[in-house]
Parts: sequence; structure tokens; C-alpha cells
Amino acid sequence: DGGITQSPKYLFRKEGQNVTLSCEQNLNHDAMYWYRQDPGQGLRLIYYSQIVNDFQKGDIAEGYSVSREKKESFPLTVTSAQKNPTAFYLCASSILGANYGYTFGSGTRLTVV
Amino acid sequence: QKEVEQNSGPLSVPEGAIASLNCTYSDRVSQSFFWYRQYSGKSPELIMSIYSNGDKEDGRFTAQLNKASQYVSLLIRDSQPSDSATYLCAVNYQAGTALIFGKGTTLSVSS
Repeated sequence: DGGITQSPKYLFRKEGQNVTLSCEQNLNHDAMYWYRQDPGQGLRLIYYSQIVNDFQKGDIAEGYSVSREKKESFPLTVTSAQKNPTAFYLCASSILGANYGYTFGSGTRLTVV
Repeated sequence: QKEVEQNSGPLSVPEGAIASLNCTYSDRVSQSFFWYRQYSGKSPELIMSIYSNGDKEDGRFTAQLNKASQYVSLLIRDSQPSDSATYLCAVNYQAGTALIFGKGTTLSVSS
């Protein structure tokens, strides 16, 4: 079955560490997205990519980095510059175009210890 | 700053009633509108999309769009306890950009 896979499900980060969240899709979607969700909040856009080797910053890109070397993969790195990284991170993909909704992965819950 | 506004709730309805969820958006040129359902601790799932003024029905769900008033709503008929979740409204303002989400409305259906 086609889908979008995020790993790990839970991740613990020590102060000053960089960590990478994985996102892989086999839906043949061109566009991929990273959102962050804090308790009681909606989704805030971190980065998105519509084509391999190209990506755009979202509203809260500071302290994060991404790469898009393959169509199927869009990993997110949370750097030590991100001062408040504890959150639920959601990866999504979609067909290109304004009229297509997103398919979401199951999410990664990141906690700073 | 483009915004999507939703009443956070909680909205409480008895089983079998109609639940009405509302969303307003700030930019008149918005192209497409989506409703997602999110259970606690889970990821959002798409339940409705709407692009043109008027109503769109899918089973117990009806999405309503009024572009002149910059307003989109979701009606859930014959509400069930399993409908208890947070409902997120999302707007695509322009092709080539990403969806902007509201903060969600929490719905509680009591049996």
C-alpha cells in the first residue's frame, strides 16, 4: 500500500544536539511538507519542497534544515539553534496544485531532555 | 500575514445532533479549502475539500463555502461519539504555496 512513513515515532534530544527526522513516501507525490504542532495549537509550516533539490522556508524555519535529494525522501534536521524543539512534527505529501489535499505521516514526537 | 481562524471550542453536542464547525480566512484570493480530522495523539486525516461557492456533501459531512464572506463551514449530521476529535480548517491561498491551518475546533459528542 502507498503511504508516507515517519521515523522514529518518539525522539529524545539532549541540549546542543542536532537530530534528524525521517520522512519517506511511496505515493509518487512531487510535493512534501514539514509542519510543527504544539499542544492546543494548529500546524505551523517549517519547510516545503515541490521538486527535487529545491525547497522553500515556511513561517518558522529558523533552527531547522531540510534536504530533498530524492523525490521519495524529505528529512528534517532540528539543529541546536532551535531553542524550543519539543513538539509533534508532521510530514505530509501531495500532488502538485492548489486543489489537492495532503496525506500525512503518523508523526514524530520530539522531546528535549 | 495570511490567517485562518477557528473557534477553539470545545463544541459539545449530543449523539445524533448536527455539529457545525466554522472557519474564516483573511485573503479573498484563496483557492481551495480543506477540513481535516485529528484524533488525540494522531496525525490529521483529510475528510472534505471544497473549491467553489456552495455546498458539497459526502455522507454525513457537508462543507459550505462563501467566498464573499470569506467563510467555510463543516456540518456533521447524526453526530457519533467516534466523531469526537479536533477539526482543522486549512486554506490554500495560491498555487505553489503550502496550506495554512487554523488552530482547530475540538468537538465532543456525548452518548
